[in-house]
Amino acid sequence: EVQLVESGGGLVQPGRSLRLSCITSGFTFGDYGMSWVRQAPGKGLEWVSYIRAKAYGWTPDHAASVKGRFTISRDDSKSIAYLQMNSLRTEDTAVYFCARSDHRYCSSISCPLDYWGRGTPVTVSS
Amino acid sequence: EIVMTQSPATLSVSPGERVTLSCRASQSVNNNLAWYQQKPGQAPSLLIYGASTRATGIPVRFSGSGSGTEFTLTISSLQSEDFAVYYCQQYNDWTTFGQGTKVEIK
Repeated sequence: EVQLVESGGGLVQPGRSLRLSCITSGFTFGDYGMSWVRQAPGKGLEWVSYIRAKAYGWTPDHAASVKGRFTISRDDSKSIAYLQMNSLRTEDTAVYFCARSDHRYCSSISCPLDYWGRGTPVTVSS
Repeated sequence: EIVMTQSPATLSVSPGERVTLSCRASQSVNNNLAWYQQKPGQAPSLLIYGASTRATGIPVRFSGSGSGTEFTLTISSLQSEDFAVYYCQQYNDWTTFGQGTKVEIK
């Protein structure tokens, strides 16, 4: 059974940092791309970051709203994806979901997200 | 950035009814369009990708159509477990989501 479990969220002051983890099981992690998507309270979905599988160079992409502040990474030996969030702002407050993507169904740039974790809440407030 | 616009924002329907949700892209996304269902307090789940391909385990009452800029998600006969918010996602040029359509009980 495919499972994704996020952790590392919490309450943090503006300007501080937080690292989210997405621990996975039930599939060959190294074969898949991984993404982070967030959802602010009562709002819709916003894609944050994406990292491709080794076969595609492990190349990352970040939304313009977080570029230069957030960094996505992965440890294929541990089947974990990470999101390092620096210089946090109040507008980064959201539930952060990690999600898997199968490169077979992607466009040349991005992908649908076939499995999601339950999310971890991040609150940025003084 | 490609803007995805969903309509209507809210749809009030009775169980058993046929439901049609719309999603429009500000420019062509070819067939790189997915649909998700999200229930309160839960993560989204993938229903449709490639505009019309059902994801694993998705009932046949869910179908997707369209290409380019106009897309539709149809639920042929709404079941009680289908009351939720539905999002479209384009993945042709990075990724953007629509604002969602809430399907509620009439």
